[in-house]
Amino acid sequence: GQNIDQPTEMTATEGAIVQINCTYQTSGFNGLFWYQQHAGEAPTFLSYNVLDGLEEKGRFSSFLSRSKGYSYLLLKELQMKDSASYLCAVTDSNYQLIWGAGTKLIIKP
Amino acid sequence: GAVVSQHPSWVICKSGTSVKIECRSLDFQATTMFWYRQFPKQSLMLMATSNEGSKATYEQGVEKDKFLINHASLTLSTLTVTSAHPEDSSFYICSASGTAEHQPQHFGDGTRLSIL
Repeated sequence: GQNIDQPTEMTATEGAIVQINCTYQTSGFNGLFWYQQHAGEAPTFLSYNVLDGLEEKGRFSSFLSRSKGYSYLLLKELQMKDSASYLCAVTDSNYQLIWGAGTKLIIKP
Repeated sequence: GAVVSQHPSWVICKSGTSVKIECRSLDFQATTMFWYRQFPKQSLMLMATSNEGSKATYEQGVEKDKFLINHASLTLSTLTVTSAHPEDSSFYICSASGTAEHQPQHFGDGTRLSIL
């Protein structure tokens, strides 16, 4: 079956760095996405990885290792507004998007 | 770029009413549009995938006669919840992706549906 695993919840301190991991087992791979979803709102696109390595976008970076079926989202200089759920999603060989359950990130002052 | 507009944002109506939700891609052509439902504190659940000009593909357990999807153009898809009941109350979100490969899905703001 197809499966995406990410921690249910994480807590971090304002100004710190946090890494949210995602592991996947899918039938084929055509890319991995990270989305941010604030409570009561729709998801917003953060990043896309299709090749191994690190993609950096301001305070947010995303890493992919296809051989390990592993990705992480790194958030630096955390701000209170970063409190949200972070969703990992993988496109399989049929270009179907498989969603993880999301990681709820709680930022404390 | 990649703006998706969804409306209405909120709907409150009586049981038995049919409700139509619109999803528009404003600045790109959306080959594929997706409809999701999300209950409080739960994950996104894909309901159906629609391609312009063809019938939608529904996920297992989603009643196609209850959730009517029309994707008549490359910029518009509609979801009609027919004869809605309180258990249909949920947050409905559409997304759209463009024609090129490896395009992310861009989401509308969602529609909060409350059936009394």
